[in-house]
Amino acid sequence: NAGVTQTPKFRILKIGQSMTLQCTQDMNHNYMYWYRQDPGMGLKLIYYSVGAGITDKGEVPNGYNVSRSTTEDFPLRLELAAPSQTSVYFCASSSPITGVNEKLFFGSGTQLSVL
Amino acid sequence: DAKTTQPPSMDCAEGRAANLPCNHSTISGNEYVYWYRQIHSQGPQYIIHGLKNNETNEMASLIITEDRKSSTLILPHATLRDTAVYYCIVRTDNAGNMLTFGGGTRLMVKP
Repeated sequence: NAGVTQTPKFRILKIGQSMTLQCTQDMNHNYMYWYRQDPGMGLKLIYYSVGAGITDKGEVPNGYNVSRSTTEDFPLRLELAAPSQTSVYFCASSSPITGVNEKLFFGSGTQLSVL
Repeated sequence: DAKTTQPPSMDCAEGRAANLPCNHSTISGNEYVYWYRQIHSQGPQYIIHGLKNNETNEMASLIITEDRKSSTLILPHATLRDTAVYYCIVRTDNAGNMLTFGGGTRLMVKP
C-alpha cells in the first residue's frame, strides 16, 4: 500500500496564481483532511471530508477550496495565492472506527512558497 | 475539546527512557488522550492513545493519572531517531470531531 500520496512535493507560486495540491489514499478511508503548518508551529486544519461528496471547513479555510468526488482523492485548490499561504501542507486520512478514529495517516507534505 | 500544556523542549540521552509530560486539567470524562510525533519535515505519525487505563504498544507507553488531569508518554529506550516534536491531544471520540495539534514538545535525543 502506498498510503497517502501528495503531489507536488515542492512548489513556488507568484502572488495571484492558482494551483491544486493533489492528495490520494489507497486505504479506502472515509475521512480525509488538509492541514497547513507554518514554520515552528503546530498543524492547523483547513478542510476535511467525511466521505465522497461531503466536505466541511476547518479552522483556517479562507483562501482555499476542496472537492471530494471519489473516496480516494481530496484535492486542495488555491485560487489567488498570497504570501500568507506560504506553508507546508499535509493531507491525512482516517477510518472512523470507534476508538481508533484518530489514527490519522499523513502524507509527506507539500512545501509551498508564494512570492 | 480540552486544552493541553506541554513543555516546549526536552533533552534525553540515547538509550535512556524519555518521559514526556502533558497537562490536561480540564479533560472531560469522554475525552481520549492521543500522542503523535513529527520527525523533521515529515507528516505526523500516530503513537498511542488511551482513555483512563495505561496503554503500551511497540512504540511507547502511555501513563494517565488516576484523576486524568495529566499523562506521560514514555519511550523506554530512546534512540537518535526518536528526535522529533511530540504532540499531546485530547478530544472526544465522536465522528466529526477533528484533531487539533498544538505546539508540542521538541525532544532532542543526544548521543
